[in-house]
Amino acid sequence: NAGVTQTPKFQVLKTGQSMTLQCAQDMNHEYMSWYRQDPGMGLRLIHYSVGAGITDQGEVPNGYNVSRSTTEDFPLRLLSAAPSQTSVYFCASSDHPGTWMRDEQYFGPGTRLTVT
Amino acid sequence: ILNVEQSPQSLHVQEGDSTNFTCSFPSSNFYALHWYRWETAKSPEALFVMTLNGDEKKKGRISATLNTKEGYSYLYIKGSQPEDSATYLCALDNYGQNFVFGPGTRLSVLP
Repeated sequence: NAGVTQTPKFQVLKTGQSMTLQCAQDMNHEYMSWYRQDPGMGLRLIHYSVGAGITDQGEVPNGYNVSRSTTEDFPLRLLSAAPSQTSVYFCASSDHPGTWMRDEQYFGPGTRLTVT
Repeated sequence: ILNVEQSPQSLHVQEGDSTNFTCSFPSSNFYALHWYRWETAKSPEALFVMTLNGDEKKKGRISATLNTKEGYSYLYIKGSQPEDSATYLCALDNYGQNFVFGPGTRLSVLP
């Protein structure tokens, strides 16, 4: 298993540009999520999905869109990049062991995004 | 937004020392509490998932306890080694269908 993969690893954007961060997992996990990591602030949830066709907002959703057309893929779109979106982005997935509770999260390697 | 706190923010210990840090939360309305270990330039990796009051988990020299009634979890490292240097995160899997992470405790183990 490749686990959770993310592309690209690094990206530099200019203010106003748009782009999509890719995330894929091959573990057949229902739950997927996107986080951003900023110094001194830990991981903050951007958007999450509990299954194909279902997405919802997390703590910091503004400026980002997501979709979940398949179980495997969960892309994150930046609509119009701003310097405040400079961060490291992590995608994660986890399983539901038959209940509402989720199992441990598996994280991708991260995407380091700089917006100038 | 559920607020998860961790203390201390950072600590430095000598190799061989035992140490512990705290994750605290205001509510027992969650499915599970997770602990993750996050090394610099890597991705977070799960250590433990705990669900019940009084839960205790152990993996090698690392163990954790959960007290949902008083709203805290402790992570213990016995005989710290330099390879234990990392940021330790706790997260609540809450009833709102999402995870809420604490800010982490950054541990440095000096040889």
